[in-house]
Amino acid sequence: QVQLLQSGAEVKKPGASVKVSCKASGYTFTGYYMHWVRQAPGQGLEWMGRIDPNSGITKSAQKFQGRVTMTRDTSISTAYMDLSRLRSDDTAVYYCARGTRLKYYFDYWGQGTLVTVSS
Amino acid sequence: QSALTQPRSVSGSPGQSVTISCTGTSSDVGGYNYVSWYQQHPGKAPKLMIYDVSKRPSGVPDRFSGSKSGNTASLTISGLQAEDEADYYCCSYAGSLVFGGGTKLTVL
Repeated sequence: QVQLLQSGAEVKKPGASVKVSCKASGYTFTGYYMHWVRQAPGQGLEWMGRIDPNSGITKSAQKFQGRVTMTRDTSISTAYMDLSRLRSDDTAVYYCARGTRLKYYFDYWGQGTLVTVSS
Repeated sequence: QSALTQPRSVSGSPGQSVTISCTGTSSDVGGYNYVSWYQQHPGKAPKLMIYDVSKRPSGVPDRFSGSKSGNTASLTISGLQAEDEADYYCCSYAGSLVFGGGTKLTVL
């Protein structure tokens, strides 16, 4: 069965960077996009961007361009999301979610990773 | 890219039907047949309920249905059950992907 297993919670200081991992299993990792979506406490969902694990090509939301880096390691079926220059309003649960090429929905989600930004 | 507009809350009694709207523009909801809906229970990851406006993934009850008219998409839940109480989010392609603000469904 498809599973996306994310890394554990993080606490970071403002200005620092955080790297969240998402290990995929149960399907061909390079056959699907991996998206990143975040949710601030008590707030809605926000799409951050996606990576094509086959090519490494990424596309990010304009809001995060220049601050987010998405990478992957196909040898271990793992995607990564690195967010830099953290601010307090980056405090959120970060999800990875699988997406089908040329389709625009997320069929499987990771369990979420809480990132807390606090001085 | 502005978020899609959803009502903050809706409610219904068990067995009734409720409809949640998701209003965008011709650049997102109205321009593409790529609207999806997600159910999220507290403390849990979202779950895909509807994709491509009206398609249901396997395992999702046929009580859940989706539709679209112009710039507004809708999720209808018929035969409400207690376990349907959750937050619901719409999402549309718009060059990138944009979510609605979410709707809290209360089953009375």
